[in-house]
Amino acid sequence: AQSVTQPDIHITVSEGASLELRCNYSYGATPYLFWYVQSPGQGLQLLLKYFSGDTLVQGIKGFEAEFKRSQSSFNLRKPSVHWSDAAEYFCAVGRITGGGNKLTFGTGTQLKVEL
Amino acid sequence: NAGVTQTPKFRILKIGQSMTLQCAQDMNHNYMYWYRQDPGMGLKLIYYSVGAGITDKGEVPNGYNVSRSTTEDFPLRLELAAPSQTSVYFCASSLPGPNEQFFGPGTRLTVL
Repeated sequence: AQSVTQPDIHITVSEGASLELRCNYSYGATPYLFWYVQSPGQGLQLLLKYFSGDTLVQGIKGFEAEFKRSQSSFNLRKPSVHWSDAAEYFCAVGRITGGGNKLTFGTGTQLKVEL
Repeated sequence: NAGVTQTPKFRILKIGQSMTLQCAQDMNHNYMYWYRQDPGMGLKLIYYSVGAGITDKGEVPNGYNVSRSTTEDFPLRLELAAPSQTSVYFCASSLPGPNEQFFGPGTRLTVL
C-alpha cells in the first residue's frame, strides 16, 4: 500500500527566509506526486506535480520540488517566503488503478510566517 | 467555469439525522471523489466514481453512501449521523490518468 509521511507538523519561518517542507513516500512502482496548499477555510489548490521526466519541477507562487527516487522524497522548496504563504501544505502520492486515480495524502505541514 | 461546487458550506446535525452533501462540477470530468478531513489526519478517501453509474468504496466508506446518475453530480449521503462523522468534507474531480484533482471549497459538518 502507498503511504506519505510529512514529518513536520508545524514550521515557522521569517518572511524572506528560505523554506523546505519534507515529504517521504512509500510506493512499489514509479509514483506520481503532488503538493497541494490549503488556506484557512478553503479547499485545496495544486502547487505542482511530478509524473515523469525532469526531477526538479516548478510550480505556482515560486515553489519548486525535487523528486529523489533514492531517498523516496519529494521535498517542497521556496527561496524566499512571503507572509501570504502561511497555510497548510499537503503532499500526496497517486496511483492509477482500473477503478480510478487514487491519491494518498500526508497529514500536512502547517506553515507560519513571522513578519 | 465554476469548477467544483459544494453545498451547503456548513451544517449541524443531530445524532441519527440524515442529510445529503451536494457536489457538482462543470469541467466534464469523468472521475469524482469524496474525502473527509480531520485535524492532523490529512484527507481520507470515502468514495469515488469513474463515471455515471459507477461508484466504489475508498478507505473510510462506513456510514456513507453515494450515487452518480450524471457526469456533473456526485452527492454523498449520510443516513444515520454519528458524532464520528463530524468533519470537513471535500469533493474533487479529475480527468482519467495521472492528472490533478480539483477540489471544491468543502462542507463543514458537525454532529451533536
